[in-house]
Amino acid sequence: NAGVTQTPKFQVLKTGQSMTLQCAQDMNHEYMSWYRQDPGMGLRLIHYSVGAGITDQGEVPNGYNVSRSTTEDFPLRLLSAAPSQTSVYFCASSFLGLAGDSTDTQYFGPGTRLTVL
Amino acid sequence: AQTVTQSQPEMSVQEAETVTLSCTYDTSESDYYLFWYKQPPSRQMILVIRQEAYKQQNATENRFSVNFQKAAKSFSLKISDSQLGDAAMYFCAYRSADNQFYFGTGTSLTVIP
Repeated sequence: NAGVTQTPKFQVLKTGQSMTLQCAQDMNHEYMSWYRQDPGMGLRLIHYSVGAGITDQGEVPNGYNVSRSTTEDFPLRLLSAAPSQTSVYFCASSFLGLAGDSTDTQYFGPGTRLTVL
Repeated sequence: AQTVTQSQPEMSVQEAETVTLSCTYDTSESDYYLFWYKQPPSRQMILVIRQEAYKQQNATENRFSVNFQKAAKSFSLKISDSQLGDAAMYFCAYRSADNQFYFGTGTSLTVIP
């Protein structure tokens, strides 16, 4: 049971390049989410998903795309990297409650540190 | 959108003493959940405690407890018998009815031996 895994751990991009941050979980969690963490700003929700085929925008979705084709995987795509996207990115997952809410414990991945030059 | 405010960027506590971290939030929802997360230098996010808004009883988890004041929209974390391993960044978080999470800016806790 690996929990939530993220790859890569570190990445350096040039402005305008595209890339995909990978996130996978092996706990059969319905809810998965992506956050970015910037100094002095806490974590901010980028996108989230309540199940395969269902995604929705969070607080800061611009410049990012997601898809959820399987329960296990939730990749985050940067379409055209910008220096403002330099950050630490966290993926998280949890079960959904009977009411469809994500109040169960969120398990976080180890994070990806992304630098855009 | 909901907002979560942590007004103490840094706090310190002597080992074995008690410390309280503050959190306030702004919402028009009546039913929601609140969380405290710990982030040690390893960067791993760890759930410390959670509180359902419909429950009046304050949540407790061993040395960690909360003071939830719904009317005041306040959700403080009390750490008793502080240990060196408690040193970390602590984040308060709010879950909205549509499954979005909002985090505060964090409080860096130092534990002095």
